[in-house]
Amino acid sequence: AQSVTQLDSQVPVFEEAPVELRCNYSSSVSVYLFWYVQYPNQGLQLLLKYLSGSTLVESINGFEAEFNKSQTSFHLRKPSVHISDTAEYFCAVRSYSGGSNYKLTFGKGTLLTVNP
Amino acid sequence: DSGVTQTPKHLITATGQRVTLRCSPRSGDLSVYWYQQSLDQGLQFLIQYYNGEERAKGNILERFSAQQFPDLHSELNLSSLELGDSALYFCASSVGWQGAYEQYFGPGTRLTVT
Repeated sequence: AQSVTQLDSQVPVFEEAPVELRCNYSSSVSVYLFWYVQYPNQGLQLLLKYLSGSTLVESINGFEAEFNKSQTSFHLRKPSVHISDTAEYFCAVRSYSGGSNYKLTFGKGTLLTVNP
Repeated sequence: DSGVTQTPKHLITATGQRVTLRCSPRSGDLSVYWYQQSLDQGLQFLIQYYNGEERAKGNILERFSAQQFPDLHSELNLSSLELGDSALYFCASSVGWQGAYEQYFGPGTRLTVT
């Protein structure tokens, strides 16, 4: 079964600093990878996804993630964070366990706190 | 607003009781997913339905069951509740069922078992 490891449970940074949230997944032949964001008291929202093609994917609010097959990683980065980026970020991988059994497996989450 | 609605927002009940959580997917979405989020277990996939049929099963306990109705709304039934069932329960929906489609999450139902 697929698994996802988010190496940092909490990442505090100052406003306008760069940030990297790390995610590693267990290897599989075909990998679909996702980053979701959860703002306080809300449900999860898709931030970006990698299905195929270019290994660098970008979101509309300045985040980007790079699929690295050799290192089985899908780290999330932003060159300059804002207070409004404070949220919990979840990395997820689509896993397949036979028949029609597709599901998303989520990491434990990384709480990003942006301080003024 | 994701377009996915969940009721109720909060639910407080006692051990041994049974509750029903309801979810209406986004217009046009045929898949509904249920997740449990707790501090110790994180976000756990429970079950998925596509157009009324069960498609995938995760870490769902035998005390829990779900169904998707012809109008595509879904209900998650939790019975013989235990303290450890206290958690946030999310519903999500997507157009397709093979896991590559974006899942839209509802705001969640916070269940407290006392």
